[in-house]
Amino acid sequence: SAVISQKPSRDICQRGTSLTIQCQVDSQVTMMFWYRQQPGQSLTLIATANQGSEATYESGFVIDKFPISRPNLTFSTLTVSNMSPEDSSIYLCSVRDGGIFNEQFFGPGTRLTVL
Amino acid sequence: AQTVTQSQPEMSVQEAETVTLSCTYDTSESDYYLFWYKQPPSRQMILVIRQEAYKQQNATENRFSVNFQKAAKSFSLKISDSQLGDAAMYFCAYRSGSGTYKYIFGTGTRLKVLA
Repeated sequence: SAVISQKPSRDICQRGTSLTIQCQVDSQVTMMFWYRQQPGQSLTLIATANQGSEATYESGFVIDKFPISRPNLTFSTLTVSNMSPEDSSIYLCSVRDGGIFNEQFFGPGTRLTVL
Repeated sequence: AQTVTQSQPEMSVQEAETVTLSCTYDTSESDYYLFWYKQPPSRQMILVIRQEAYKQQNATENRFSVNFQKAAKSFSLKISDSQLGDAAMYFCAYRSGSGTYKYIFGTGTRLKVLA
C-alpha cells in the first residue's frame, strides 16, 4: 500500500487567514481525495484531486473556499481559505489503490483549529 | 442515494473477549464493495477488512471477520480475542462498483477495550 504523509500535522490559525495542507505519496497514484472530519463526526469527501485538471468538488464545497492543486501524480495541496471557527476539523487526504478493490489509503490527517 | 448507518456510537469489550460492531447500508445497486476502517487516537485511518458484494463468503483477516448479509444489507465486524490496541473508532464504508471511487462512510463506532 502507498505511504502517505501530510504537512502540517496540526495548526492553530486565526480567522480570516488561509492554510495550505500538503499531501505527499511515495508512489504515483491516479486518484487523490480530500476529506474533512469535523469533531466527533464521520468523514465527508470535499473533492477529488485530478492531475492536470481542476478538482471535482462535492456538493456543499466550492473551489473558492477549498482550492486544490495536483501538479503531479504524487503530490496535492488543499487550501482552506478565509477560515472561520467552523472550519476547525481534521483534513485527510487519501489515494486510490489500483487493485480490484480500488480501496483508499489515508494520510495521517491535519488537525486544524481556527480561533 | 446510498447511505451507511452505524447504530452503535460506542461499544466496550473486555480484553480477550469478542465484540461485534454493526453496520447497515442502503443501496439499489447489486455491485459494490464494503470496508471497515479503524482510526486510532493517532488519527491514521487503517483498512481492517473488505468485502465484495458478489462474494457470499465472509471475509476474514486474522482476528477480524465480517458477517455479510446481502439481502438484509448488513455488514457487521467481529473482533475476536480483543486487544488493547484494538481501541479506536471504527468506520464502515461503502463504494459503488459502477465506476465512481467515492466512499460513503458511516458515523463510526468508538470501541473501548477494558483491561
